[in-house]
Amino acid sequence: GQNIDQPTEMTATEGAIVQINCTYQTSGFNGLFWYQQHAGEAPTFLSYNVLDGLEEKGRFSSFLSRSKGYSYLLLKELQMKDSASYLCAALDSNYQLIWGAGTKLIIKP
Amino acid sequence: ETGVTQTPRHLVMGMTNKKSLKCEQHLGHNAMYWYKQSAKKPLELMFVYNFKEQTENNSVPSRFSPECPNSSHLFLHLHTLQPEDSALYLCASSQSIGTGDQPQHFGDGTRLSIL
Repeated sequence: GQNIDQPTEMTATEGAIVQINCTYQTSGFNGLFWYQQHAGEAPTFLSYNVLDGLEEKGRFSSFLSRSKGYSYLLLKELQMKDSASYLCAALDSNYQLIWGAGTKLIIKP
Repeated sequence: ETGVTQTPRHLVMGMTNKKSLKCEQHLGHNAMYWYKQSAKKPLELMFVYNFKEQTENNSVPSRFSPECPNSSHLFLHLHTLQPEDSALYLCASSQSIGTGDQPQHFGDGTRLSIL
C-alpha cells in the first residue's frame, strides 16, 4: 500500500532550527510536496522536490532522497508565526497526491 | 492569496437535511478537487475534476454528490449525512493533472458538523 509517515507533533524554541522528517512509500514517484497549514486556514504550498538534494527558499529548505524514500523540511530562525501543521505529500505514478497526517509544530518563546 | 474561495465557512446540519458546499477558483486552473480533512488523519481525496470531467471518485458514499458546471466552480451536494461525516471539507485547484511541479491551491474549507 501507499503510505506517508511523519511525526505527529514537535516543539521548538523561537530563533532555533527544526527539522521535520517524512518517509514515503508510493506506487511510482513524481515528486514530493510540503505544505503549511495554520489552524482554521488553507494549506499553503511551501516546496516541491523531485530530484535528490536540498532546495533552499529563504528560512525554509527541503531535502529529498529518492533512494531512501525520505524527505525533510528544515526551518531556520524560527518565529512564533511558524507554529502550524506541516503536511508532507508524495505524488504517485498516477499523479495523485498521497498525504501524511501532518506534523504539528509548536514554537515556544 | 484568495485564489480559491469556499462557502460557507461553517455549516451545522441534521442528518436528514440537504445542503451544498460551494467552491470557486480565480486562478484560471483546469483541475479542481474535493478533500475531507479529519483531525490527526491524512487528507482524503474525494473527487477530482479535470476540464469539468470527473476523473476520480475514491469510493465516496453516494450521500456526497459533486457537480462541476465549469472549470471555475465546484459544488459538493450533501444529503442524509452521518455523524462521522463531520470534518473540514477542502477544495483545491491546480493548473492541470499529470504534471509534477504544479502545486494545488486550497481554499480555507467548510467546517461541517452533523447533529
